[in-house]
Amino acid sequence: ELKVEQNPLFLSMQEGKNYTIYCNYSTTSDRLYWYRQDPGKSLESLFVLLSNGAVKQEGRLMASLDTKARLSTLHITAAVHDLSATYFCAVDKPGTASKLTFGTGTRLQVTL
Amino acid sequence: GAGVSQSPSNKVTEKGKDVELRCDPISGHTALYWYRQRLGQGLEFLIYFQGNSAPDKSGLPSDRFSAERTGESVSTLTIQRTQQEDSAVYLCASSFPGTSADTQYFGPGTRLTVL
Repeated sequence: ELKVEQNPLFLSMQEGKNYTIYCNYSTTSDRLYWYRQDPGKSLESLFVLLSNGAVKQEGRLMASLDTKARLSTLHITAAVHDLSATYFCAVDKPGTASKLTFGTGTRLQVTL
Repeated sequence: GAGVSQSPSNKVTEKGKDVELRCDPISGHTALYWYRQRLGQGLEFLIYFQGNSAPDKSGLPSDRFSAERTGESVSTLTIQRTQQEDSAVYLCASSFPGTSADTQYFGPGTRLTVL
């Protein structure tokens, strides 16, 4: 059974600080996704990582993938309040037609 | 262009009643997914439709849950004899599997409360 674990589950950080969210998964996967969810809202796609060593950046967020370690990271640089949200990673299992298994999410709170 | 839409946005029902949730995927997206998100938790896969293939129902939690899709358009998720543990946000997503990324785009969800 494919399992996806994120840590930390909750992160409170000050504006301007850097931090990393970790996503571990238990079996080989073709693709890894990062999503953002604001309170009461749906999920917004942030990144898709397709291969070992893939790195993608958008603004203050950077995601990377190490398929050998089955680990993805989401790095936050110089956090701002607008980044406060819950971040989910998700992976699909080969042969399951993109049926995603989600992590439990990391709730990020950026304080002034 | 229009994204994934879902209706109703909120549904409150009494235990034992049947409910029907609707999803309109992005036009041209052949794949459609239903997920459930309990309060404070991640998403749980329910069912997947791809074109005219038989749906993957492996995530449906019980036989009270069923879903249909008309061609490559609207889908309905039906929960019969609702129970309090069915209370959750039900999210629909669609994608176009022909791309390498095959990103799923999510609708706003239907918040179901079973009293």
